[in-house]
Amino acid sequence: NAGVTQTPKFRILKIGQSMTLQCTQDMNHNYMYWYRQDPGMGLKLIYYSVGAGITDKGEVPNGYNVSRSTTEDFPLRLELAAPSQTSVYFCASSYETRYEQYFGPGTRLTVT
Amino acid sequence: AQSVTQPDIHITVSEGASLELRCNYSYGATPYLFWYVQSPGQGLQLLLKYFSGDTLVQGIKGFEAEFKRSQSSFNLRKPSVHWSDAAEYFCAVSSDNQGGKLIFGQGTELSVKP
Repeated sequence: NAGVTQTPKFRILKIGQSMTLQCTQDMNHNYMYWYRQDPGMGLKLIYYSVGAGITDKGEVPNGYNVSRSTTEDFPLRLELAAPSQTSVYFCASSYETRYEQYFGPGTRLTVT
Repeated sequence: AQSVTQPDIHITVSEGASLELRCNYSYGATPYLFWYVQSPGQGLQLLLKYFSGDTLVQGIKGFEAEFKRSQSSFNLRKPSVHWSDAAEYFCAVSSDNQGGKLIFGQGTELSVKP
């Protein structure tokens, strides 16, 4: 199993550009999550999904969108990049709420 | 509001010394508690978890943690630290009625002196 994979690993965006961060898991997990990590702040939940076709907002959803058309994929969309979105983004998945989350390697995004 | 606090931002210990990282939580429901470790430039790896039962849980790499409900704490311990343990450690909490969403502490960075 590859586990949770994320692409790209690094990206630099200009203000106002758009991009999609890709996340795929091959563990047949129902639950998937997107977090952002800023220095000294831990990880904050952006969006999550409890299954294909179902998504919900987390703690910091503004400026982001998600979709979940399949069990495996959970892309995160940035429509109008802003410097405040400079961060490291982690995707995670779990089988159910009582099971641990498995994290991808992260995407380091810089908006200038 | 639900929250997790890791009071120590940075800890330095000597190799071979014991280690305790503190974690306190504020959570209305019965919590599920986790410790994750993150090496530089890497994702997060689960060290151990507590759902129910024995309040002393064993994890990977020789780590253990004790759940103390009366103190709302879930401190991580290791009897003898190795240089390879240098990393950032995150405590996190979730519950069934929160869709499995993890609430993370701010993290504790561990440095190990030779």
